[in-house]
Amino acid sequence: ETGVTQTPRHLVMGMTNKKSLKCEQHLGHNAMYWYKQSAKKPLELMFVYNFKEQTENNSVPSRFSPECPNSSHLFLHLHTLQPEDSALYLCASSQEGGQGGQPQHFGDGTRLSIL
Amino acid sequence: GQNIDQPTEMTATEGAIVQINCTYQTSGFNGLFWYQQHAGEAPTFLSYNVLDGLEEKGRFSSFLSRSKGYSYLLLKELQMKDSASYLCAPMDSNYQLIWGAGTKLIIKP
Repeated sequence: ETGVTQTPRHLVMGMTNKKSLKCEQHLGHNAMYWYKQSAKKPLELMFVYNFKEQTENNSVPSRFSPECPNSSHLFLHLHTLQPEDSALYLCASSQEGGQGGQPQHFGDGTRLSIL
Repeated sequence: GQNIDQPTEMTATEGAIVQINCTYQTSGFNGLFWYQQHAGEAPTFLSYNVLDGLEEKGRFSSFLSRSKGYSYLLLKELQMKDSASYLCAPMDSNYQLIWGAGTKLIIKP
């Protein structure tokens, strides 16, 4: 139990579908992150929210749309995805963004498969 | 550019010691993290180094040399449950973690 919960754990969707990934953290943290993890590749940072404000968007295609309604919840809305978007999507949180020494705590991820 | 280099895969024997090396080049530096990730699970935090030297935490130790852009993770008294990927992640001047592809460690009986 890492204190960061992601749902669903697995998702299969067609390229024309719309779905959302959910992340919830119970650690009292103020920063939340979305990462993409593909096989044998480094973690790719997608989005960062610090105190509910988006502070980073690493050139992510617009078919991925994040939402952070409060410091405990983070969503990733998906629409018209491509087969290359199939990957493990990880959510993480830390005490505060923009500071050193604070580890990020990860959820177990959502395994996404695009048909 | 920013770059992390660590071995793709290593094999070690139960009860032995293994050292996983990581070299890095980043724009600025605000410390380096090591994470463990078992297959199908979340990465979990192992250690953080910001000053040169060795940090010991039970069976695991982590070393940093800032001038050489080098770190290693030392695992002692290896157990089968230590079979996992180990991720090296320095933090750059923007406090962003720069991730390596990870080292898959296989422990044999």
